[in-house]
Amino acid sequence: GDSVTQMEGPVTLSEEAFLTINCTYTATGYPSLFWYVQYPGEGLQLLLKATKADDKGSNKGFEATYRKETTSFHLEKGSVQVSDSAVYFCALSAGTASKLTFGTGTRLQVTL
Amino acid sequence: SQTIHQWPATLVQPVGSPLSLECTVEGTSNPNLYWYRQAAGRGLQLLFYSVGIGQISSEVPQNLSASRPQDRQFILSSKKLLLSDSGFYLCAWSPRTGMETQYFGPGTRLLVL
Repeated sequence: GDSVTQMEGPVTLSEEAFLTINCTYTATGYPSLFWYVQYPGEGLQLLLKATKADDKGSNKGFEATYRKETTSFHLEKGSVQVSDSAVYFCALSAGTASKLTFGTGTRLQVTL
Repeated sequence: SQTIHQWPATLVQPVGSPLSLECTVEGTSNPNLYWYRQAAGRGLQLLFYSVGIGQISSEVPQNLSASRPQDRQFILSSKKLLLSDSGFYLCAWSPRTGMETQYFGPGTRLLVL
């Protein structure tokens, strides 16, 4: 079945550091890929998405490129802020009814 | 614009008591609806999804059930809660066709004691 694997956290960075959170997937067909973010005590918010190979999703300084050859969708940001501290979930959608398969999430902690 | 509501925000219930969590969506018609559970420190598990009134698909066997009595209303229920039902319950919706993005509600934190 479909699956998403994310790097284990927590990830702790100093403000203005470069961020990479790895995500790889296994799916039949051609999935759409997503990054969601969950701030403490809140629901999930869509951060960015890509619907086909080589697409780049971007939002709020975050970027991720859909790499079909490596089945990856790594999240990057050039300079993180304390306000980016949250849990980040990679997900794919490849089946009926737009069902999402999530990774386990990666907690990011940014310090001053 | 579309909004999704969940209530209650927080709930503490004794083992063996019933449960009813409600989710409603505004500003759209015929949405797909979803219930997820997030256990402490873990990822999201899809519990149920619905593509229309009265149409419920269950993803995992469990102590819970779901119903969709109206187009934009999705209810998660249990007759007798277990300790293992504790967690953060998230409702989500997506447009029926053309887009796969899901939009999440604020969640309900359930503690079963």
